[in-house]
Amino acid sequence: KAGVTQTPRYLIKTRGQQVTLSCSPISGHRSVSWYQQTPGQGLQFLFEYFSETQRNKGNFPGRFSGRQFSNSRSEMNVSTLELGDSALYLCASSLAASGGRTHYEQYFGPGTRLTVT
Amino acid sequence: DQQVKQNSPSLSVQEGRISILNCDYTNSMFDYFLWYKKYPAEGPTFLISISSIKDKNEDGRFTVFLNKSAKHLSLHIVPSQPGDSAVYFCAAWTSGTYKYIFGTGTRLKVLA
Repeated sequence: KAGVTQTPRYLIKTRGQQVTLSCSPISGHRSVSWYQQTPGQGLQFLFEYFSETQRNKGNFPGRFSGRQFSNSRSEMNVSTLELGDSALYLCASSLAASGGRTHYEQYFGPGTRLTVT
Repeated sequence: DQQVKQNSPSLSVQEGRISILNCDYTNSMFDYFLWYKKYPAEGPTFLISISSIKDKNEDGRFTVFLNKSAKHLSLHIVPSQPGDSAVYFCAAWTSGTYKYIFGTGTRLKVLA
């Protein structure tokens, strides 16, 4: 099976602009989560989607939003970019529930490196 | 608040010796704990996990130990290999929250 793919891999934007990042999960995975990774901060949870519904979100401002499509592909959008939004954005997919059991392992894509100047 | 903490930002170990990576947590409601390994320019890869009802899980060279009373888990790698050099993240998950809490990572360097 193909792994989680993220596009684009690298992005340079100017402060005040907006950006959309895309994630294609592993085939059959219905849960998609997004994380922001910055030096010294580990992976900060942004939000999780399952069957086009956001089930949880982290402590990020409303400038960060996301959505999931019927094919489980997901996008996240950041509006009015700030310098502090420069980070590696990671997407992870999970099988979630299947066969009466919860599959909690997540599989990550390579990330999108966003630089805001 | 940092519910999952990895207090050692880095660790160096000689090839063939044991590597022990530590993680502390504060929330006793976590159901599962996971370890991920991350190489530069790649996303984290799942390594091993443990349920909160267990105290040990082993997979080849990797063993995770859970001490619930101390709210502490550790990852043992025996023997350590140069290819194990990476950043290791511990993560915790609670059923029904659909949210993983990650630590800040420990950079392991295995010296040949």
